[in-house]
Amino acid sequence: GAVVSQHPSRVICKSGTSVKIECRSLDFQATTMFWYRQFPKQSLMLMATSNEGSKATYEQGVEKDKFLINHASLTLSTLTVTSAHPEDSSFYICSAGGQGHTGELFFGEGSRLTVL
Amino acid sequence: GESVGLHLPTLSVQEGDNSIINCAYSNSASDYFIWYKQESGKGPQFIIDIRSNMDKRQGQRVTVLLNKTVKHLSLQIAATQPGDSAVYFCAERQAGTALIFGKGTTLSVSS
Repeated sequence: GAVVSQHPSRVICKSGTSVKIECRSLDFQATTMFWYRQFPKQSLMLMATSNEGSKATYEQGVEKDKFLINHASLTLSTLTVTSAHPEDSSFYICSAGGQGHTGELFFGEGSRLTVL
Repeated sequence: GESVGLHLPTLSVQEGDNSIINCAYSNSASDYFIWYKQESGKGPQFIIDIRSNMDKRQGQRVTVLLNKTVKHLSLQIAATQPGDSAVYFCAERQAGTALIFGKGTTLSVSS
């Protein structure tokens, strides 16, 4: 199946700093990417939908100025957690679907963010 | 908010038994459903999917059943193995939209 790669897999940062997480589709062009957040022992919650070349659509309750999403190419989307705080510590997971992959989405391995 | 939920948060079975994990969904417009397996610290792993024009689909050791009348989805795992221990999520999707995940069921397989 298609491969989606996330980087970094783990990151620890100090409170107040910004962290960028990359999501790449390695063998297909992803016109749409989705970002999820998962707290311990909870389900994946959709944060935002990004379409290549346009602004991301954020779910209710997700601050767009805090979670900056850029989908500048068909193979790369980035999520930047700005001015991170301990409550932003979570598992962030991206998924991607391309024009040739109707229905099925492919998930990255996730990025564990710990804010001290 | 979430439109997909699960009936049971945990399921414990013996190795070799069959496992059934259930899921209820609320959005009748959803036309695509997927079961994922997630191991600790990893992203979701695709298990099996089913479209709304079907009521049953079989894979290797797994079967998904869809009952649109009562908006119910189930995952059956035959001859459950210790390696099947994980959290299982059902997810639903309308065409072109993101997947919406249920709460998850933890499957624990003892040998």
